[in-house]
Amino acid sequence: DAGVIQSPRHEVTEMGQEVTLRCKPISGHDYLFWYRQTMMRGLELLIYFNNNVPIDDSGMPEDRFSAKMPNASFSTLKIQPSEPRDSAVYFCASSPDGSQVPQHFGDGTRLSIL
Amino acid sequence: QKEVEQNSGPLSVPEGAIVSLNCTYSNSAFQYFMWYRQYSRKGPELLMYTYSSGNKEDGRFTAQLNKASQYVSLLIRDSQPSDSATYLCAVQYFDSWGKLQFGAGTQVVVTP
Repeated sequence: DAGVIQSPRHEVTEMGQEVTLRCKPISGHDYLFWYRQTMMRGLELLIYFNNNVPIDDSGMPEDRFSAKMPNASFSTLKIQPSEPRDSAVYFCASSPDGSQVPQHFGDGTRLSIL
Repeated sequence: QKEVEQNSGPLSVPEGAIVSLNCTYSNSAFQYFMWYRQYSRKGPELLMYTYSSGNKEDGRFTAQLNKASQYVSLLIRDSQPSDSATYLCAVQYFDSWGKLQFGAGTQVVVTP
């Protein structure tokens, strides 16, 4: 079975540019999570969706960040405008509905803002 | 103070040794406790999870939860070079399903 698929795997861009990260969750999983991982702050939950609806976005750092889930098989995390401090690895994870077994992670997008 | 604390390591052990990893948490409201393994340039993968005090075994891995003392540990027996990775502790509130709090992770290196 295919796991969580993220694209691109690497992104290097200049400060001020718009960045869009993409995620395809595991088929049949109704929960989708976006995380950010840095050396300083570790792994942090940014936002999560249930059945395509955002449930908690309290981890989104500021208005420059936005996330959407237009359908059950696709989500985006957008940063506009990007800043060097946004450099991190961004992970997407998904989980089945109603399950207490935690999340399955993708392999992440390594983002560098110059 | 962070809600979930782990020693950052790296922890270097010879092949075949027992690896002991510890995680302490500061909020007694946490109900679910998980250990993830993360290889370099990969996403975390769930190793084990538990919610009741005591030991839970899965092959060479044992998770020990002590709610009274607010810590959870992971033991890896007969360690292998393939166990070389960063191990992340994660905790979750009972009424906030999905909102995991992760520790910083402990890097483990198993040398042949």
